[in-house]
Amino acid sequence: DAGVIQSPRHEVTEMGQEVTLRCKPISGHNSLFWYRQTMMRGLELLIYFNNNVPIDDSGMPEDRFSAKMPNASFSTLKIQPSEPRDSAVYFCASSYPVQGLRNTEAFFGQGTRLTVV
Amino acid sequence: KQEVTQIPAALSVPEGENLVLNCSFTDSAIYNLQWFRQDPGKGLTSLLLIQSSQREQTSGRLNASLDKSSGRSTLYIAASQPGDSATYLCAAGGRDDKIIFGKGTRLHILP
Repeated sequence: DAGVIQSPRHEVTEMGQEVTLRCKPISGHNSLFWYRQTMMRGLELLIYFNNNVPIDDSGMPEDRFSAKMPNASFSTLKIQPSEPRDSAVYFCASSYPVQGLRNTEAFFGQGTRLTVV
Repeated sequence: KQEVTQIPAALSVPEGENLVLNCSFTDSAIYNLQWFRQDPGKGLTSLLLIQSSQREQTSGRLNASLDKSSGRSTLYIAASQPGDSATYLCAAGGRDDKIIFGKGTRLHILP
């Protein structure tokens, strides 16, 4: 498996524009997480899905942020409209259940570095 | 609400020394504790995963321990090398399936 795949790797956009980040989890993984990483706040959990269903979106900073997982192999994180303070690295991660255990090891994508100017 | 803290925020040690990185968490009702490595501008690489029923895990020169009752985990690196320089993050996996991260320890191994 190629691991968790995120696209694009880098995104530069102007304030006010819509930004869509994409993630393909590892096949067979049933949980998907979106994180945002900044120097000041570290890695923050934005939202996570279990079996394509959003379970907890309490980390989504504002209504400008939305996430979807239409099927087991694809998820998007959308920011509309984008603002300079949204500049960060956005990571997607997936994990899998092991019999008798809850979701175990999490695997991360390479991240999308977003710059809003 | 789970909070994960890592101390120190940065650490520099001479090559060859053994070292310990610390991680503490406020909610001891976790399912697992995972240690990651992050190189500058890169993603996260999983190093070790400790299930809540385990006390430690080892991989090569790395050993991670878990003490749920005290809300602590340590990552021990033996015979440090310059290639070990990176940021090390710990993450607590909770009963709600959330994975919460500390802010990391930036490790610099001096040649």
